[in-house]
Amino acid sequence: AQSVTQLGSHVSVSEGALVLLRCNYSSSVPPYLFWYVQYPNQGLQLLLKYTSAATLVKGINGFEAEFKKSETSFHLTKPSAHMSDAAEYFCAVSGYTNAGKSTFGDGTTLTVKP
Amino acid sequence: DAGITQSPRYKITETGRQVTLMCHQTWSHSYMFWYRQDLGHGLRLIYYSAAADITDKGEVPDGYVVSRSKTENFPLTLESATRSQTSVYFCASSETQQALYGYTFGSGTRLTVV
Repeated sequence: AQSVTQLGSHVSVSEGALVLLRCNYSSSVPPYLFWYVQYPNQGLQLLLKYTSAATLVKGINGFEAEFKKSETSFHLTKPSAHMSDAAEYFCAVSGYTNAGKSTFGDGTTLTVKP
Repeated sequence: DAGITQSPRYKITETGRQVTLMCHQTWSHSYMFWYRQDLGHGLRLIYYSAAADITDKGEVPDGYVVSRSKTENFPLTLESATRSQTSVYFCASSETQQALYGYTFGSGTRLTVV
């Protein structure tokens, strides 16, 4: 079984401030973890992924995430928010026994204030 | 242009009518998925397919039917639409069983049942 919990359905930051979006997972097998971004009226786009290589993963648009097994977390960060980062972000978990299925969190809406 | 194409982008239908949402991918990915996105529920898996002629139920399959006679197409049919099926529907594909490269999503179909 696998599940994802995203802490905070809405996060608001000022432009230039640190972005931190939280994700905790539960998985009975070694997980593969993903962050996706969704802009209004669009599909989801892969930001980054962890698949058992380096625990610090860098993605597109300056985002990165760190896999912490002891904390079962995979938080998404960006040092300096930009107005264009405003979107909804989804954390997802998969695993090699799940026939390709990913389980998604409920999403976090990021607002960036000027 | 390569990718996943969903059609239509917007659809309004009446309660009780049958409606089919189309999904076409150009990569020959083995795995395909249908999710629905609702406020407060994130993405929930409706059906998935591991290959042509192999489909299985996801988390919320009731009222939906799928088929996959060709690798590139994965249509979703609502047999008798209900208002609770008003949602945004996303089709996705994956190259590997473990989704090692993440999912590729279509742009979605916004369905309204009146």
